[in-house]
Amino acid sequence: GPKVLQIPSHQIIDMGQMVTLNCDPVSNHLYFYWYKQILGQQMEFLVNFYNGKVMEKSKLFKDQFSVERPDGSYFTLKIQPTALEDSAVYFCASSLDGDTQYFGPGTRLLVL
Amino acid sequence: GEQVEQLPSILRVQEGSSASINCSYEDSASNYFPWYKQEPGENPKLIIDIRSNMERKQIQELIVLLDKKAKRFSLHITDTQPGDSAMYFCAAIIASSSFSKLVFGQGTSLSVVP
Repeated sequence: GPKVLQIPSHQIIDMGQMVTLNCDPVSNHLYFYWYKQILGQQMEFLVNFYNGKVMEKSKLFKDQFSVERPDGSYFTLKIQPTALEDSAVYFCASSLDGDTQYFGPGTRLLVL
Repeated sequence: GEQVEQLPSILRVQEGSSASINCSYEDSASNYFPWYKQEPGENPKLIIDIRSNMERKQIQELIVLLDKKAKRFSLHITDTQPGDSAMYFCAAIIASSSFSKLVFGQGTSLSVVP
């Protein structure tokens, strides 16, 4: 199926530092998403992004979170500052039609 | 509501038999129901989906059923193989929100034993 790429695959940082997670969505897709998965649990929606704007965010999308996709480059999730409870796997997804979503390989974030 | 309930959480079946996973949703406006398979350390991979204008869809050994009245949908894997062992997640598009988002069930850990 369509490939979504994510960089880095793993990130270890100290609490309070900033981290940026990068997503390279499928080239002709229009809708972009971030989901958070804690070990052994389901993916939980964080935010969706369309036409350069955040369309909806969940309660998990704290004030310390932000997303952007400057000039059609990477779709990024920035956390500043990070907290211990931000440790999780973050999945980016993209969609052409707003329904069928394809997930990237995830970034495993560990906040110490 | 936006909950998607998924059962069972753990399922162990004999190779060659069938496996069934059931999900229910709350939002009657939901119109798209994908199923994802996730192996350890991997991303969720879309394996089959169904839209609300259908009641049944089959791709090879995967069958999904949708009962809109009861707000339930299910995945059936016929002739299971060890390679089917993984986590399976159902999801529903929550259409009542301002923009589409997937709400996932809690997942089913399927083990297919020889």
